[in-house]
Amino acid sequence: GAGVSQSPSNKVTEKGKDVELRCDPISGHTALYWYRQSLGQGLEFLIYFQGNSAPDKSGLPSDRFSAERTGGSVSTLTIQRTQQEDSAVYLCASSLAILTSEGYTFGSGTRLTVV
Amino acid sequence: SQQGEEDPQALSIQEGENATMNCSYKTSINNLQWYRQNSGRGLVHLILIRSNEREKHSGRLRVTLDTSKKSSSLLITASRAADTASYFCAKGQTGANNLFFGTGTRLTVIP
Repeated sequence: GAGVSQSPSNKVTEKGKDVELRCDPISGHTALYWYRQSLGQGLEFLIYFQGNSAPDKSGLPSDRFSAERTGGSVSTLTIQRTQQEDSAVYLCASSLAILTSEGYTFGSGTRLTVV
Repeated sequence: SQQGEEDPQALSIQEGENATMNCSYKTSINNLQWYRQNSGRGLVHLILIRSNEREKHSGRLRVTLDTSKKSSSLLITASRAADTASYFCAKGQTGANNLFFGTGTRLTVIP
């Protein structure tokens, strides 16, 4: 696509429920990143994919968080048994390659609210 | 923290004035990037400066990098109301495969 697409744009869920956040990167971008931004804060790195592989999952806040990427394209971030502290904007970005000199292209984010 | 830290946290200026934002970091980098964020949503890439560069320009933007002081600055000249946004520096740390973002500077340009 022309840009990075994230869905849903907003999600309100009850504490304890599972949620899935979707990211559709720019076609041809091999690298995909997930970040989280709490209200008024900076971006917290969660995980990156090179193709379908996620070499380093240490940025995920807990084992309730998981992510996958299929076909070198769409990625899904899943949060199980959501907690109120999971409330944040979840941002996805893609780039041509890891260590690219062209910067990231970000999606508009998913605002997750856990009530 | 490995993140770039910006200062000031917030800056308010009159339209037409210049805005300067600073970013510091702690570890070795291969590049440093600046991004803009409107309304707490997606970030837009503004400019990238490599570790062997000292200054770079793009339109009304000027970025400097001082690797000896581990700091960078973003200058927006002749600011406009539309420049109101949050600005983040992001560090391409040597050996890392992702960018580390700072906490951002909230810029308000008053018409």
